[in-house]
Amino acid sequence: GQSLEQPSEVTAVEGAIVQINCTYQTSGFYGLSWYQQHDGGAPTFLSYNALDGLEETGRFSSFLSRSDSYGYLLLQELQMKDSASYFCAVKSGYSTLTFGKGTMLLVSP
Amino acid sequence: GAGVSQSPSNKVTEKGKDVELRCDPISGHTALYWYRQRLGQGLEFLIYFQGNSAPDKSGLPSDRFSAERTGESVSTLTIQRTQQEDSAVYLCASSSGDGYTFGSGTRLTVV
Repeated sequence: GQSLEQPSEVTAVEGAIVQINCTYQTSGFYGLSWYQQHDGGAPTFLSYNALDGLEETGRFSSFLSRSDSYGYLLLQELQMKDSASYFCAVKSGYSTLTFGKGTMLLVSP
Repeated sequence: GAGVSQSPSNKVTEKGKDVELRCDPISGHTALYWYRQRLGQGLEFLIYFQGNSAPDKSGLPSDRFSAERTGESVSTLTIQRTQQEDSAVYLCASSSGDGYTFGSGTRLTVV
């Protein structure tokens, strides 16, 4: 079976840096994705890591270590609009994603 | 269209009634997925369509749930004899590569 673990909630202040960790156990692995979901909205794609290392996209970066079955999402220069839920998701089959339960990020002034 | 479109956006139904949810994927996206999200929870995979291949139905929770897709176009998810535990947001996504594009979902409330 598949299982993903991520913290349920993280709090931070504007301008800070926050890291959201994700560990996974899957029967197959093609890559790790991150999605952002604002309250009541649709999940939106942030990043995808198929190989070990850091991928940077603006203020957001994502890291993967396949040997440790571990990844993280790093958010820099936090803004109030970054308050949302963040989901890690593993691509373990040809195309289907298995999602974690999500981390709620609360950014305060 | 520009995005994934789902209808209705909200549906309130009585327990025991059937409901049909619709998803219009992005034109050209061969893959289409249905997920369910209960309040405060993660996304639970339901079913996956890829082109004209047989769908992956491994996530459907019971035989009350079924879905169809004609070619690479619209998909409908049908829930028969709805139960209160079916209350959730049903999300559709389409994909042509590594990232999914989700619709805004249908919020189903069974009373």
